Parts: sequence; C-alpha cells; structure tokens
Amino acid sequence: DQQVKQNSPSLSVQEGRISILNCDYTNSMFDYFLWYKKYPAEGPTFLISISSIKDKNEDGRFTVFLNKSAKHLSLHIVPSQPGDSAVYFCAASGQDAGGTSYGKLTFGQGTILTVHP
Amino acid sequence: NAGVTQTPKFRVLKTGQSMTLLCAQDMNHEYMYWYRQDPGMGLRLIHYSVGEGTTAKGEVPDGYNVSRLKKQNFLLGLESAAPSQTSVYFCASSYPGIPNIQYFGAGTRLSVL
Repeated sequence: DQQVKQNSPSLSVQEGRISILNCDYTNSMFDYFLWYKKYPAEGPTFLISISSIKDKNEDGRFTVFLNKSAKHLSLHIVPSQPGDSAVYFCAASGQDAGGTSYGKLTFGQGTILTVHP
Repeated sequence: NAGVTQTPKFRVLKTGQSMTLLCAQDMNHEYMYWYRQDPGMGLRLIHYSVGEGTTAKGEVPDGYNVSRLKKQNFLLGLESAAPSQTSVYFCASSYPGIPNIQYFGAGTRLSVL
C-alpha cells in the first residue's frame, strides 16, 4: 500500500512551456510535502515544500499547489528549461502516534521530466 | 564543502558475502537516514538515527544493520547479502526541523549476484 503515488512515470514538455507534475497521497496525517529533484548518478536535492495548512507555495519558477480535500498536490514549473530535465520525487512527512516524526519521509515513485529545446 | 559522502560508489557482491556502506556528513546534522531505491518504487527508508548512539528501524529494515558511533558517520551493514538487496542506496542527513529538509549523498550502486 503506497501512501504517496506519482502515477505518471514520465512527462515530456517543450522548452518555455509549463510542466505539471502530480502526486497523490492517502495518509491524512501527513503535514508537510516536499519535492526533490534528481539528476543521474547524483542524490536527490530539495526543491520546494508546502505545509498542509497552505494551498500554494511559490519559489521562482516553481510553484507547489496542495488540494487537501482531494489529497493531491502538483508541482508547476514555468517556464520549463532543458536543465529541468530530471527525475522529480514527491515526498511527505507527518507525526506518528507519539507526536514525533524525526523527519521520516515517504516518497513517491518519481516522474521523469524531459524538457526538449 | 563535501556535504554527505558515501563510500563506495559501486560494489558487486556474491550471495552470502558481507559488506559495510559508509556515510559521512560534515554539516553537524543530528539526523541521518539510509534509503534504498528500486525501479518503480521510489526511495524507501531502511534505518535512521536521531543522534549519536541511537538507531531505529524504517520501512524495510530486514537484512540490514546500522551503527552511529560518531555523530558524523552512519554505517549500513549487510551481514549476508541476497540478490533482493541489489539496489541503489542513498544516505541522507538533516537538522531537526519542520519541514525536515534532508541532504543526500550521491548513492552506492550495489549488485548481489
């Protein structure tokens, strides 16, 4: 039972256009959501996050939207650039029954984004 | 400024052999984590540590042991490697905080034949 799902294995976009990456979750106890970006032969790097009490967070070309009622979040990249081509992971964290999380993250499967010049 | 360093980068083992993966961080982070990444599965937490001398199980701990004798190092051991442990292993570290932003190493690609 995967608690965080990225149902699109890949996405192809033209340079300058918008890229929209989607993520669904099932655990209503998640209180923070993060997006990581991963290039080949490198570790994931943090991109942007959003708290469950917000519905939007923006950082330059990257915006994350959260629809809590639908348990859905999306990452928008505008405009897309060839250097954005990478694997994007959605991750979630939340407190356990003891009120702590120790930062444990639950990751989605990842979406491979390819931005064509 | 190294960040999180993993050694080795690649390793091939035979079934039943043992090995230790080393993770070192120079950011004075309290928390450290070991993940494995398999095709179509994303990253799954194996073990984690919230401070020197402490360890705890994650989502997929079976077949692995860990130790955190020094704050900057987190070791992942495979006592008797199995083909199912063929994977890419990532180490990460972070400060306690919300959100908990983890910094990852470049990974160790392990093949068990």
